[in-house]
Amino acid sequence: DTAVSQTPKYLVTQMGNDKSIKCEQNLGHDTMYWYKQDSKKFLKIMFSYNNKELIINETVPNRFSPKSPDKAHLNLHINSLELGDSAVYFCASSQGRGIEQFFGPGTRLTVL
Amino acid sequence: KNQVEQSPQSLIILEGKNCTLQCNYTVSPFSNLRWYKQDTGRGPVSLTIMTFSENTKSNGRYTATLDADTKQSSLHITASQLSDSASYICVVRPSSGYALNFGKGTSLLVTP
Repeated sequence: DTAVSQTPKYLVTQMGNDKSIKCEQNLGHDTMYWYKQDSKKFLKIMFSYNNKELIINETVPNRFSPKSPDKAHLNLHINSLELGDSAVYFCASSQGRGIEQFFGPGTRLTVL
Repeated sequence: KNQVEQSPQSLIILEGKNCTLQCNYTVSPFSNLRWYKQDTGRGPVSLTIMTFSENTKSNGRYTATLDADTKQSSLHITASQLSDSASYICVVRPSSGYALNFGKGTSLLVTP
């Protein structure tokens, strides 16, 4: 009965590969987010979708492409992985702009 | 320049002691200010949420205060426990838009 779930929890891959991270929420929220947390623990917004429409797209390389097949899912596909992509990626959801965002457990991506 | 600054960057206290974490922000106008707790290897979890009109909010041993005039907030932890060891993140939501402004967090270690 996890509210926001992400898979995989850990992802180790070689430079140049393409990988995807999946996120699902069962809270009935209509807004979902992807954050990147670097080694200094700073959380940065990457994307946000509201009702499957992109509403936030920060300065992120176009190697990163979010996909929202429905309101409960927001997946993140990354092409041509680079060393600097190594980080923990968090998915979150909220109802509209909502008082609170609920975060997933994170996916630790390591690019070798 | 980050619009949310937290201090100290890290803190070590003995179990049972109290401590206070600080957050200064420049986000204006803002809708609400949140404190999140992030355990190692987990996603952030909300502790308190205060609107701009609230001065204080408690959640068990956690008490947050907000001074909208000086743009300062603090999180006071009473009778600390080993399980309080975590990163505490101050987050400010602007009045418009979906993006949140995150501080870099204070890393708290409670020792026996």
